[in-house]
Amino acid sequence: QVQLLQSGPGLVKPSETLSLTCTISVGPISAYWWSWIRQPPGKGLEWIGSIYYSGTTKYNPSLKSRVIISVDKSEKEFSLKLSSVIAADTAVYYCASTSSYYDSGGFYFDFWGPGALVTVSS
Amino acid sequence: DIQLTQSPSFLSASVGDRLTITCRASQVISNYLAWYQQKPGKAPKLLIYAASILPSGVPSRFSGSGSGTDFTLTISSLQPEDFATYYCQELNSSPPTFGRGTRLEIK
Repeated sequence: QVQLLQSGPGLVKPSETLSLTCTISVGPISAYWWSWIRQPPGKGLEWIGSIYYSGTTKYNPSLKSRVIISVDKSEKEFSLKLSSVIAADTAVYYCASTSSYYDSGGFYFDFWGPGALVTVSS
Repeated sequence: DIQLTQSPSFLSASVGDRLTITCRASQVISNYLAWYQQKPGKAPKLLIYAASILPSGVPSRFSGSGSGTDFTLTISSLQPEDFATYYCQELNSSPPTFGRGTRLEIK
């Protein structure tokens, strides 16, 4: 069983960078993938990207130019940075542990953090 | 990207009912499909992966089937705690994509 805690600002100004951190409070960080997924208010789910504990990343092409996901194994945490945000980036952002059904792919999301609403507004 | 079409988008049912939700993929994805349950204000919870495998702790009244492009999630006897929104997600490609959800409400 994995437990995740999320932290970061709930309000970001347009054109600035959204930054969130997910801490693995229970469970190992090694040998797993870790992901960020978002959900605009009242809408569906969108995968942002994933990182392996070693640092290998995969990003959604629709966001790739603005996203950086990083991992800090010593702190058992991984982070999301989304730059040049606009109002459409307003969403609940979830972190999740991620299983790989086939080699470095076939991602599904086992355990989720509680979510953090990030509003983009001046 | 692979498109997933869920039907129905809204469903009203009673405790004890048996119901089925369908997810259709825009291309063949073998058995690479997962299902999630989301309650209001909460994070999604994994119910099924690889089309039919239940993770530990998921009640056996949930079942999944399908392969190729057509998949189903079945709840054999609805319980009060099952009223939620259900999403399918394909694992076949990158980016992994989600269906738009099926909202299940009490009749």
